[in-house]
Amino acid sequence: DGGITQSPKYLFRKEGQNVTLSCEQNLNHDAMYWYRQDPGQGLRLIYYSQIVNDFQKGDIAEGYSVSREKKESFPLTVTSAQKNPTAFYLCASSPGTGFDTQYFGPGTRLTVL
Amino acid sequence: AQKVTQAQTEISVVEKEDVTLDCVYETRDTTYYLFWYKQPPSGELVFLIRRNSFDEQNEISGRYSWNFQKSTSSFNFTITASQVVDSAVYFCALSERKTSYDKVIFGPGTSLSVIP
Repeated sequence: DGGITQSPKYLFRKEGQNVTLSCEQNLNHDAMYWYRQDPGQGLRLIYYSQIVNDFQKGDIAEGYSVSREKKESFPLTVTSAQKNPTAFYLCASSPGTGFDTQYFGPGTRLTVL
Repeated sequence: AQKVTQAQTEISVVEKEDVTLDCVYETRDTTYYLFWYKQPPSGELVFLIRRNSFDEQNEISGRYSWNFQKSTSSFNFTITASQVVDSAVYFCALSERKTSYDKVIFGPGTSLSVIP
């Protein structure tokens, strides 16, 4: 089945540690995105990538980093510089960025202890 | 300034009642797209509908229907004969063309509880 997978579903991290969230898609989509969702709020864009080896900062990129070495993979690293990393992280992909529909993965819930 | 407003934070209805979720958006663009997504308790956002700014025809899909009115900048979503499985957070979203990509702006969401 085609879709987007994110792992792990739940992640616990100690303060001061970097952690990487995985996002893989087999939809052959060019564009991929990372969003952050806090309780009772909408989604905020962290990073997006329109093609392999290219990515751009979204609205809240500070304290995060990404890579796009393969079309199907777009991992997100939450660094120790992110002041408040506890949140629900959603990865999405779309065929392109011409008003295309974004399809979402199941999400990763990150908790900093 | 918030560009997508969902004024209803939480709604509770009894099963089989109809319910309308409101969405008001703001844009200066003439070409834009509107979306609705459903987020069940599992967390994954499920795509429901995509509508472009030039198509004001209402749409019906089973128990779901959407009313798009450019004159009032609204894109409301109605669930007919609600069911417990409709309990979720529903997000309205607006896609505008920016310099390098088409940014999607999500509203804050409306939490719907359908009580059996």
